[in-house]
Amino acid sequence: SAVISQKPSRDICQRGTSLTIQCQVDSQVTMMFWYRQQPGQSLTLIATANQGSEATYESGFVIDKFPISRPNLTFSTLTVSNMSPEDSSIYLCSVEERGYGYTFGSGTRLTVV
Amino acid sequence: AQSVTQPDIHITVSEGASLELRCNYSYGATPYLFWYVQSPGQGLQLLLKYFSGDTLVQGIKGFEAEFKRSQSSFNLRKPSVHWSDAAEYFCAVALNDYKLSFGAGTTVTVRA
Repeated sequence: SAVISQKPSRDICQRGTSLTIQCQVDSQVTMMFWYRQQPGQSLTLIATANQGSEATYESGFVIDKFPISRPNLTFSTLTVSNMSPEDSSIYLCSVEERGYGYTFGSGTRLTVV
Repeated sequence: AQSVTQPDIHITVSEGASLELRCNYSYGATPYLFWYVQSPGQGLQLLLKYFSGDTLVQGIKGFEAEFKRSQSSFNLRKPSVHWSDAAEYFCAVALNDYKLSFGAGTTVTVRA
């Protein structure tokens, strides 16, 4: 399966600022996904990021708040903009590999103070 | 509405005892089915998956799961639990749009 390097692993940020999370994959993948896991909760899909097209956002998530870049088949970034304490969560990237399933990065634990 | 249900929020099991975690889905077609485990402070690790074929699927760490189409279920089992199996377990499903939807998760506590 693919190996995903996600960074930072954790951060503490001031409200009103932005944080960019990076996800690097060791192989070329078509589909990448970004998830949010709020404290004590399950994972919720934020958006699907395919190379060469704009990200597709799920209901409740908007591009202005969570802009995503996908410049090539091995890399993506998610920015959490104008942060508030409610954005404190674990953010995970994931890739889909045909025949294998879905592999996840180790996550970014974000605390907004 | 499409959904993934894990009825048990928390299960406590003695070390060496068997474990079964339930998962039901509500989709028009048979989805791709997955079980993931998340240890405290860790990412998600794939335990096993079902795409098609044999309905009894073997995974890593001694886990297995059985797909039952008539019951829309994909329950996870382990014959003998180890203390290291204490974690959060997520059932997940995907359709042809490749979007993965997760159940609420089941927390497993292992007592000595």
